Amino acid sequence: DAGVTQSPTHLIKTRGQQVTLRCSPKSGHDTVSWYQQALGQGPQFIFQYYEEEERQRGNFPDRFSGHQFPNYSSELNVNALLLGDSALYLCASSFWGTAQETQYFGPGTRLLVL
Amino acid sequence: AQSVTQPDIHITVSEGASLELRCNYSYGATPYLFWYVQSPGQGLQLLLKYFSGDTLVQGIKGFEAEFKRSQSSFNLRKPSVHWSDAAEYFCAVAGSGNTGKLIFGQGTTLQVKP
Repeated sequence: DAGVTQSPTHLIKTRGQQVTLRCSPKSGHDTVSWYQQALGQGPQFIFQYYEEEERQRGNFPDRFSGHQFPNYSSELNVNALLLGDSALYLCASSFWGTAQETQYFGPGTRLLVL
Repeated sequence: AQSVTQPDIHITVSEGASLELRCNYSYGATPYLFWYVQSPGQGLQLLLKYFSGDTLVQGIKGFEAEFKRSQSSFNLRKPSVHWSDAAEYFCAVAGSGNTGKLIFGQGTTLQVKP
């Protein structure tokens, strides 16, 4: 049973560019959440997708957008990249329900913005 | 606002010694509490979680945590640390009304001396 997978594992971009990160949830899961983890910090919630709609959003600008596909996989898009967007981006999947549902995390995509 | 504080940024213990990692949370209602571990270059792995009931919860890898409402704490413990426990540990809280937004602490880095 495959867990949460993310691609690519590493990415280097320059300021002003756009980036797309991808996530496939654990088998049986229908909800995907995205987190940003800056170096030396805990993960911060970006947003969550369920039934192809954004259900919750953290305190991130509109440059951060996402999408969920019918097969429950998801993309995170970041436009107009800033140096401060350099971080590890984590995807977590779960089964839609209550907060008791455990979130399973992928290995992350490390983004470096130069 | 919900928040999580992990007072110890870095802890060093000798192999075989006991371990306690501190976590304090701020949340108005009954929180859902989690401990995750992150090894270098890896995603987050759930160690244990507390939703209700017995305030002492057992997790994987020999870890346990105790929920103390009066102290707003959820400290992680292990009676005997192994070298493989060296990693970053994150405490997180989720509100009962949220279906996935985890609020993480800053993390505690555990170093294990031989």
